[in-house]
Amino acid sequence: EAQVTQNPRYLITVTGKKLTVTCSQNMNHEYMSWYRQDPGLGLRQIYYSMNVEVTDKGDVPEGYKVSRKEKRNFPLILESPSPNQTSLYFCASSLTGGIFNEQFFGPGTRLTVL
Amino acid sequence: GENVEQHPSTLSVQEGDSAVIKCTYSDSASNYFPWYKQELGKGPQLIIDIRSNVGEKKDQRIAVTLNKTAKHFSLHITETQPEDSAVYFCATKGVANNLFFGTGTRLTVIP
Repeated sequence: EAQVTQNPRYLITVTGKKLTVTCSQNMNHEYMSWYRQDPGLGLRQIYYSMNVEVTDKGDVPEGYKVSRKEKRNFPLILESPSPNQTSLYFCASSLTGGIFNEQFFGPGTRLTVL
Repeated sequence: GENVEQHPSTLSVQEGDSAVIKCTYSDSASNYFPWYKQELGKGPQLIIDIRSNVGEKKDQRIAVTLNKTAKHFSLHITETQPEDSAVYFCATKGVANNLFFGTGTRLTVIP
């Protein structure tokens, strides 16, 4: 089944404790992206990757890192999480970064930083 | 950057009635306008999209209209059913490779 998977689905952590949220897609997509969803704000892009070893900042990149060493994986790293990073996170992928390509979303990771 | 406004934030309709959600955007370079449906506990899923050279597109009970001059586009759902209850997001995409989302509309269809 073609899909985007994220792990973990739920995570509660404390301020300053490094964490990684994994994202993997099995559709051989070139483009991958991370969003955060907050009430009243919709989805905002954190980082995106046009292909392996190519990453770029989205609208809200502060406090996050990403890497794209393999085509299928695009982990989101929080080196020193803070309470304002408590949010619902979505990974997405599309065939390419072309304007009309549909983005497929993962199921989401709900992160709470205490 | 792009600014996408979406209204209303919540919408309740009786089963069988129509629902309309409206979005406005600021960037005249936007050329692609998808709509996503997010069910509880799931990620957004594309339900319909429209390109800037088209004024209207329909897919069964769902239709989208686009007015590029006024920079607004709308989602129309006819003959609503309980399974249409979800959060709906509009989005835009232009010369950048990013999707810009509206703030979402929670649609409740009352049986």
